[in-house]
Formats: sequence, C-alpha cells, structure tokens
Amino acid sequence: GAGVSQSPSNKVTEKGKDVELRCDPISGHTALYWYRQSLGQGLEFLIYFQGNSAPDKSGLPSDRFSAERTGGSVSTLTIQRTQQEDSAVYLCASSSSLAGAVEQFFGPGTRLTVL
Amino acid sequence: GENVEQHPSTLSVQEGDSAVIKCTYSDSASNYFPWYKQELGKGPQLIIDIRSNVGEKKDQRIAVTLNKTAKHFSLHITETQPEDSAVYFCAAPPSSYAGGTSYGKLTFGQGTILTVHP
Repeated sequence: GAGVSQSPSNKVTEKGKDVELRCDPISGHTALYWYRQSLGQGLEFLIYFQGNSAPDKSGLPSDRFSAERTGGSVSTLTIQRTQQEDSAVYLCASSSSLAGAVEQFFGPGTRLTVL
Repeated sequence: GENVEQHPSTLSVQEGDSAVIKCTYSDSASNYFPWYKQELGKGPQLIIDIRSNVGEKKDQRIAVTLNKTAKHFSLHITETQPEDSAVYFCAAPPSSYAGGTSYGKLTFGQGTILTVHP
C-alpha cells in the first residue's frame, strides 16, 4: 500500500522567502509528526498532531515555523522568512492510534536548501 | 526531557563480522526503545524495537538488548552483509508514553554510520 509521501522532494529558496512543505500520511493514521534532520545529525522533533487534539508544538525552533493539518490528513509545514540555518531535510512520519501500534512510518523527506 | 546518546558515530566492519551500536537514555520511566535504519535518500525505517518488560529481542540477524538499571540498550547485527550499510538511529519516547497510544514524540540518537566492506 501507499506509504507516507512528501512534496517537494527538493526545495531551493532564497533567504527571506517563505516555503511550504507538504506531507501525505498513510491513510487512516491519526498521528502525524514532523522532524528535522540536519547534515550528519539525528532527527530533531518539531511538531506532533494526534487526531483532533491540540498539536504538540514544543519542538518548533522559532515562531517562523508553523504547521497545520487539514481534515485530519494532509499536513503542511510552513517556514517564513527562511534563514540559511533552516537548510535541512524535513521528515514527516505517521502512526496508527490502534492499541499497540507504535511504529512511526517515515516519508522520504524534503531537502530544503536556503541560499 | 529525554536525552539519548548513541555510540559510535561511525562503524566499519568486514562482511560476516558482527556490529554493535549502543545507546544510553536519561528518562528512567521510558519504556519503549526502537531502532531505525536509514538508507541514502530515504526516510528512516523501523527494524526492531523492545519494550521494558523484556531484556532481549531477536529477529533473524538483528537483536536488541535492554538494561533498564543502567539505562542503556544496544543493537546487535550478526553476519553483516553489504546491504546492512546505512545510518542507524536509536530512539526513546518521553516517560508519558503509554505504549498503547500514539504519543510517540521520539528523541533520537545522533546516528551511527555503518559500513560493511565486502
């Protein structure tokens, strides 16, 4: 079946521009996560959506970062006024809320380059 | 919050040898410990996980051991093959993770680049 998809796969932008990154989770998965992976680093948690609950935004690095999830499915991560330090791979993951279903399924990521 | 340390950062082995990657965590209440494998250009993929009610879990050539007293867990790969070459990440959730819910805000280790030479 279809996995988590992300678009675009690559994004090059100029410093100061806004960007939007999209995530399509696995159908039926109620939990959705965004992580950031800088070159040679581990995954840094950004934000987490679970059903209709208020999202956990505790990992967002600044108020330039925001995310929304429409209709409990597709999510968009927006970075305003991009900075060079925002360059990274942005990974989205989803998981089921069924009891015992703990695996997070990751998309291929969006590689963001800020010039 | 949870702090996860992973070692080594790089590991090079010959095909057929074993590889061991170790992680320590800080939150003694954590109870779920997954390992992810990330191949070049792809997202991480779960390869094995362990819960705190067991000390070891094995799946073919891959095993994970957990020492809750010392707060560390390890990934063991035996009879390594070139296709095992990838970046491996350990992770742990916050102590509020209840196992049956989706509260999976994982804290990841820094990753280990494993290279298996033919």
